[in-house]
Amino acid sequence: EDQVTQSPEALRLQEGESSSLNCSYTVSGLRGLFWYRQDPGKGPEFLFTLYSAGEEKEKERLKATLTKKESFLHITAPKPEDSATYLCAVQRMNRDDKIIFGKGTRLHILP
Amino acid sequence: NAGVTQTPKFRILKIGQSMTLQCTQDMNHNYMYWYRQDPGMGLKLIYYSVGAGITDKGEVPNGYNVSRTTTEDFPLRLELAAPSQTSVYFCASSYSGTSGRVEFFGPGTRLTVL
Repeated sequence: EDQVTQSPEALRLQEGESSSLNCSYTVSGLRGLFWYRQDPGKGPEFLFTLYSAGEEKEKERLKATLTKKESFLHITAPKPEDSATYLCAVQRMNRDDKIIFGKGTRLHILP
Repeated sequence: NAGVTQTPKFRILKIGQSMTLQCTQDMNHNYMYWYRQDPGMGLKLIYYSVGAGITDKGEVPNGYNVSRTTTEDFPLRLELAAPSQTSVYFCASSYSGTSGRVEFFGPGTRLTVL
């Protein structure tokens, strides 16, 4: 069964304390892996698309990486405004375009 | 550009009532999606469309219907509301650019079925 698992469920960091969020997946052929940020009460905000193992993408303090079984979202020197829930999703390489989400990691950055 | 807009923002339905959640995008994207998000959970895909006149089921389509008569609009219909459909509903659209797929979400519709 296709599945996306994110860890940890929640993470509290001090401002400036770098860390990584994990997204592991089992899917019958990966078309793409996506990262989103979601603030409370709002719709998700798209961050990155990754397509193949070894690919990396960066945006400000965030860097996403991809292997054949998992993806990491690295957060370097985070600030309080980086506090949010980070969602990971995969799109399988199949006859359909279905997208499967993980439950997310709630990140809280303390000033 | 307004992006992806959804109406209404909030709605309370009684069991058995029906309603349509509206979604419009002004970016000329071919791909559009409907998701639901239950508390503390990720999103689940209900239906999606790859272009006007083409729709397909996602992970949780039961109890919902969609239509896509124009590129801009992708309404979601609930025919017989049930308490299990209490959730936040997000509409999204996407395109494929030089750096890959990019997706835009609406602000959501919070639906309660009592």
